[in-house]
Amino acid sequence: DSGVTQTPKHLITATGQRVTLRCSPRSGDLSVYWYQQSLDQGLQFLIQYYNGEERAKGNILERFSAQQFPDLHSELNLSSLELGDSALYFCASSGGFPGQGHNEQFFGPGTRLTVL
Amino acid sequence: QQQVKQSPQSLIVQKGGISIINCAYENTAFDYFPWYQQFPGKGPALLIAIRPDVSEKKEGRFTISFNKSAKQFSLHIMDSQPGDSATYFCAAILRNAGNNRKLIWGLGTSLAVNP
Repeated sequence: DSGVTQTPKHLITATGQRVTLRCSPRSGDLSVYWYQQSLDQGLQFLIQYYNGEERAKGNILERFSAQQFPDLHSELNLSSLELGDSALYFCASSGGFPGQGHNEQFFGPGTRLTVL
Repeated sequence: QQQVKQSPQSLIVQKGGISIINCAYENTAFDYFPWYQQFPGKGPALLIAIRPDVSEKKEGRFTISFNKSAKQFSLHIMDSQPGDSATYFCAAILRNAGNNRKLIWGLGTSLAVNP
């Protein structure tokens, strides 16, 4: 158990809909990362937050947005969903200030999103 | 410059054999190299990691070999077991300007260990 929790575990929705995925980082971790993993692709980095502020952006679509709240939990919002958005979405957390330690990321169990 | 190239894409090994996964990088600003293991339906989990000033690190049946001059590092799984069947990702941590650190991922290797 990594200490990172994600809800829900599974999500089934229809095209055009909007969903919110939630992540709670490990206790004390300030950074949260979101990844998308499709069957035919590796881990695609979406976005990183550090202590409530956006820190880095990867291949995140404009239809997707995220935020990190004062209690450090994070939400990933996916809107105008398309069939191709069906994937596993992982949240990871790491500790300390960027630049401290080695920034190892600890992953949650993921949310499996199915868009029908 | 920021890529980490991982090979092979997939690997089949007999039980008891040695599994070897290789990664290569270009950017000398990488300063930490973790390996992650991912079982189907689960999140990646940190397996073992190495600093570039160390040539080898061993934890149980898992060993990282690091060749700084060649900019290559590899994961060796000794006495491979069916339970090792998973996807393995190499990664490298990059220190950017402003002291930010970014993790660059390889594309993964799907390992199957036959009983």
